[in-house]
Amino acid sequence: DAGVIQSPRHEVTEMGQEVTLRCKPISGHDYLFWYRQTMMRGLELLIYFNNNVPIDDSGMPEDRFSAKMPNASFSTLKIQPSEPRDSAVYFCASSQQYTEAFFGQGTRLTVV
Amino acid sequence: DQQVKQNSPSLSVQEGRISILNCDYTNSMFDYFLWYKKYPAEGPTFLISISSIKDKNEDGRFTVFLNKSAKHLSLHIVPSQPGDSAVYFCAASAQSGRRALTFGSGTRLQVQP
Repeated sequence: DAGVIQSPRHEVTEMGQEVTLRCKPISGHDYLFWYRQTMMRGLELLIYFNNNVPIDDSGMPEDRFSAKMPNASFSTLKIQPSEPRDSAVYFCASSQQYTEAFFGQGTRLTVV
Repeated sequence: DQQVKQNSPSLSVQEGRISILNCDYTNSMFDYFLWYKKYPAEGPTFLISISSIKDKNEDGRFTVFLNKSAKHLSLHIVPSQPGDSAVYFCAASAQSGRRALTFGSGTRLQVQP
């Protein structure tokens, strides 16, 4: 398996624009996680899914953030409208029920 | 509220010596603990884990120790190699509850040749 695949690797956008980050989890994994890494807050969980159903979205910072998992092989994290403080590295990870999580390479988002 | 704490932001050791990275947690519901290694511009990669029913787990040069009464775990790397230089994250989860990992802030390890 190619591992968790995220796209794009880098995204630069202007404040107010919509941003969509994409993730393809490892086949057979039934958990999917979105994390964000910043200098101030470290690695923080935004939302996670089990069998495509959102389980915990308490980490989503504002209503501007939304995430979907329409099927077992694809998830999106959308920010609309984007703000400079959203600049961070966003990671997607997947796991099976009782195993470690495998991370993608991340998307570095810069909002100017 | 930091539930997983890594109080040392950085650590420098000589090649061949032991590296000891520490982690403390506050949530007594945590029962599964992991260490991840992260290189720049890459995602965290899993290193080693331990369940709360054990107090030690070993994998090659890496050993994780868990002290449940002190809510403390440590990662030992022996012998340390320059390629081990990276940021190490401690993480924890509650297998019977919230499955997502809670991460510490990380410790940057520098192994000097």
